Amino acid sequence: ILNVEQSPQSLHVQEGDSTNFTCSFPSSNFYALHWYRWETAKSPEALFVMTLNGDEKKKGRISATLNTKEGYSYLYIKGSQPEDSATYLCAQNSGNTPLVFGKGTRLSVIA
Amino acid sequence: KAGVTQTPRYLIKTRGQQVTLSCSPISGHRSVSWYQQTPGQGLQFLFEYFSETQRNKGNFPGRFSGRQFSNSRSEMNVSTLELGDSALYLCASSVTTGALNTEAFFGQGTRLTVV
Repeated sequence: ILNVEQSPQSLHVQEGDSTNFTCSFPSSNFYALHWYRWETAKSPEALFVMTLNGDEKKKGRISATLNTKEGYSYLYIKGSQPEDSATYLCAQNSGNTPLVFGKGTRLSVIA
Repeated sequence: KAGVTQTPRYLIKTRGQQVTLSCSPISGHRSVSWYQQTPGQGLQFLFEYFSETQRNKGNFPGRFSGRQFSNSRSEMNVSTLELGDSALYLCASSVTTGALNTEAFFGQGTRLTVV
């Protein structure tokens, strides 16, 4: 059974600060790592799907890295804005298995 | 292109009743997965359907069931509702299943309250 852990559980940053959080997952039978952003009252929205060790993905001010050998992924937000406030979820799957989600990191950006 | 649609958005039921939730995936998507979220918990996987067949099932009691129709729309049913079934139920669709880089698209969920 996959066990995906995210830290920290919650985070408060000032507008303009850069921040990062961690997703840890079992490195065996790795297939893909997904990051989602979930804003209140909306649907979770896919940010990145990462599959290869050393993968780095970027979308605007948000980027992510992947280390499949040691089983972790970092999500970075540069120059946080209030609209970045959301819960960030990571999820892993192994081939034909469903996505297993962590509990998320709740980010609050204070203006 | 319409997104994933879940109905109803909110539902209040009494213990012992049963409930059916509906999910219409994005057009062309054949895989539908269901998740439950309760306070303090991550998204817990319920089941996945692909081409009308259940491909995976999570660790939930038999009171939770689902099905998928030929048009890929999916329903999940919970019988003999318990207070602990109160949760947000999310549906996600994807083009296929088990493929590298398959991205899942979520609906807004159905908030079920059992009283």
